[in-house]
Amino acid sequence: DTEVTQTPKHLVMGMTNKKSLKCEQHMGHRAMYWYKQKAKKPPELMFVYSYEKLSINESVPSRFSPECPNSSLLNLHLHALQPEDSALYLCASSQGTGYYEQYFGPGTRLTVT
Amino acid sequence: AQSVTQLGSHVSVSEGALVLLRCNYSSSVPPYLFWYVQYPNQGLQLLLKYTSAATLVKGINGFEAEFKKSETSFHLTKPSAHMSDAAEYFCAVKDTGGFKTIFGAGTRLFVKA
Repeated sequence: DTEVTQTPKHLVMGMTNKKSLKCEQHMGHRAMYWYKQKAKKPPELMFVYSYEKLSINESVPSRFSPECPNSSLLNLHLHALQPEDSALYLCASSQGTGYYEQYFGPGTRLTVT
Repeated sequence: AQSVTQLGSHVSVSEGALVLLRCNYSSSVPPYLFWYVQYPNQGLQLLLKYTSAATLVKGINGFEAEFKKSETSFHLTKPSAHMSDAAEYFCAVKDTGGFKTIFGAGTRLFVKA
């Protein structure tokens, strides 16, 4: 199974809402990632987890809060977002944080109203 | 620092014609290079990767890429384009240490009937 799943596929939320994005992989990968992708742009790295510990935070605003409950799951908690946070949020995993390829989920299309 | 530059934000070819997508890299160490494809409203999918084992790398869907150190290039080719190849293509390189993947700006491939 080489699949990364993400839920929900679409999410519309107001600026005062709290919501969570979920990501799951069952490939035994030890590194997981969150990316933000705006239209016609490449993915921008947000967070990297390695062995369930946060390894990289790319100076992401605190209204985005990642969580890695176990080696298969990755969450992104959202609170008090701004309209400019509307984007496609991609989760990815890799065997490790070395020179491995990444496997991407289909993404969650987030709209902040 | 590692970086990649994709020449041409848009490439248009006729069905059955050669596909050539250009990527040049900048790296102070032997690079780990990747090509990913993104179909509309989907996540990224690995096409192929270069890890120094061979300069000509074959990937999925009939794509291949040749690593040329003298030209610092890793161009993606396919002998005969199909309508289903229409997508966004990203060249990418791993940073030193392998934590981050650095993406190029992307090239949109259009295939005309």
